[in-house]
Order: sequence, then C-alpha cells, then structure tokens
Amino acid sequence: GAGVSQSPSNKVTEKGKDVELRCDPISGHTALYWYRQSLGQGLEFLIYFQGNSAPDKSGLPSDRFSAERTGGSVSTLTIQRTQQEDSAVYLCASSTRRLAGGDEQFFGPGTRLTVL
Amino acid sequence: GQQVMQIPQYQHVQEGEDFTTYCNSSTTLSNIQWYKQRPGGHPVFLIQLVKSGEVKKQKRLTFQFGEAKKNSSLHITATQTTDVGTYFCAGLAGTASKLTFGTGTRLQVTL
Repeated sequence: GAGVSQSPSNKVTEKGKDVELRCDPISGHTALYWYRQSLGQGLEFLIYFQGNSAPDKSGLPSDRFSAERTGGSVSTLTIQRTQQEDSAVYLCASSTRRLAGGDEQFFGPGTRLTVL
Repeated sequence: GQQVMQIPQYQHVQEGEDFTTYCNSSTTLSNIQWYKQRPGGHPVFLIQLVKSGEVKKQKRLTFQFGEAKKNSSLHITATQTTDVGTYFCAGLAGTASKLTFGTGTRLQVTL
C-alpha cells in the first residue's frame, strides 16, 4: 500500500467494553510501533514489534492492553475492559530497519478512541 | 528511564519571525530524529541526525545535534503559516529498542 493504514479511524465505546484497533504497515516494513497520544500531548510508546515478535512491551499501561502481529504484517492492539482514561488517539508506525528505532518511522492516521 | 524534554512547550510568532525549539535528553543519544505534526494530523518525519555536532538544513529549517549528543535544536527562519504544527524530537539511546519522543513544541504562526 501507499502508506500505513489504521482502522477504524474513530471508535466510540462504553466503559467496560473491549476494543480492537488494527494497523496495516507499509509492505516490507519489519518494525512496527504502537503509540498513544492524548489531546495536546506527546507520543507515549506502547509496544514495538520486530517481525511477529515483541521485544519491547514496556510501554503497555496495564494488563488490559495487549497486541499481536501476524505474518510480519498486520497488527492489532486490544484493550479489554476499557476505561475513560484510555480515551486517546492510538498511532501506529512502521519502519524498514531491522535494528530497532534507528530509521524513519512512517505513521498511520491514527484511531481516535473515545470511552464513554 | 530516558527522558526527552523540549522547550518551549508553545510559541506564537508573527509570520516572518524566526523560531527555535530545543530538545534535551537525560542520556546520550546515538541518533535523533525530528517530526512535524500538523493540527489534526499524524507525525511526519523531517530528518535524522547521527554525528556529534552535525548540522543539516532543509530550506528554511536548520537542525543541529549537540557535541555531547544529548541535545538538539530546530531553527526555522522567516516562519510561514505553513509551519504551524507541533514539532517533536525523538532520540534513540545506545542500546534502547525504541525512540523516545520529546514533549513537543507547538508553533502557532499568524499573519
């Protein structure tokens, strides 16, 4: 594809429900990152994938958050039992570099999650 | 853990004025990247600096990496309304597996 895509673009859910956010990275990009951005704030790192494995999950805020990546491509971020403080824009980025972090990251448009 | 701070948090300038944002890391960095995020948009890569003391230019933008590789700056000459957005630095510490993004500087430019 032309760029990183994410779906849905907007998600409104009720407190306590589970949500799944999807990221389609640029074809051939081995590294994939999830970030969270609250309104007017910076980027909070959540998790990093190299291929299908996640060497760094240190940013996941709680055990309600999980992520997986299959086929070295699509990734899903799952939030269980959503809370109002989970409301934010969830950004996905991908990169070609085999070694983490050292190359340009291409960001998707994000999923805006609102928990009522 | 590694922290990356940016100052100022916000700056409002008149079109044609210069602008500078400063990025400071608590640890030595192997490289630093800069991103721009337009209002309502997503971060877009601008540049990467790797060498101590490195200076790179992109038209009206000048990027510097400090000699100690713990700080960086972005200077915009003669700002335009198209420069509006939030500028983030992002640093990679030596053995880290991920970039640490700075707190960002929001730039507002008015006519």
